[in-house]
Amino acid sequence: AQSVAQPEDQVNVAEGNPLTVKCTYSVSGNPYLFWYVQYPNRGLQFLLKYITGDNLVKGSYGFEAEFNKSQTSFHLKKPSALVSDSALYFCAVSAPYSSASKIIFGSGTRLSIRP
Amino acid sequence: GAGVSQSPRYKVAKRGQDVALRCDPISGHVSLFWYQQALGQGPEFLTYFQNEAQLDKSGLPSDRFFAERPEGSVSTLKIQRTQQEDSAVYLCASSLLARSGTGNTEAFFGQGTRLTVV
Repeated sequence: AQSVAQPEDQVNVAEGNPLTVKCTYSVSGNPYLFWYVQYPNRGLQFLLKYITGDNLVKGSYGFEAEFNKSQTSFHLKKPSALVSDSALYFCAVSAPYSSASKIIFGSGTRLSIRP
Repeated sequence: GAGVSQSPRYKVAKRGQDVALRCDPISGHVSLFWYQQALGQGPEFLTYFQNEAQLDKSGLPSDRFFAERPEGSVSTLKIQRTQQEDSAVYLCASSLLARSGTGNTEAFFGQGTRLTVV
């Protein structure tokens, strides 16, 4: 069965510092991996995805994520945090070539950027 | 339309009442997903359609929950005899992804319907 773990409920970073939001996954076969962001009273917005190819993927708002197959991880990163990055972040996984094509989400990490 | 549209945005139901939540996916999107999201939590998978076929309903919490997508486009999530524990935001998402293929594989989400059962 597919699963996603986001081990940190909250991450606090000073503005201008680099940030990392952690994600590990479990899936049979090759995974599709995603990061979404949710602002208060808003729907989930797609940030970036890993399908195949280069392990480092770049997405919206300066975010990037690194796929590490041996560690089954897909951590979200940004070199320099902005206060406006404060939001709830979700990692997600699917296995579209298996019978489990559904997208499964982690429990979320609240990112707080202090000025 | 330009995005996934859900209606109503807010619904207050009395305990025991039946409710129907509507989702209009992005035109041409093959896959449609329903999720339930409690406050501050991650979306929990409910059910998945590929066109009109409901391929996975393993996340539906009870037989009071029923979803359909009869023409492979608009979908309705119905909850019968609502209970207080059904209070949550119900999210609909659609994607181009079929069982195989690449391209636009990410899911696009609607704003959700906030259901409050009193």
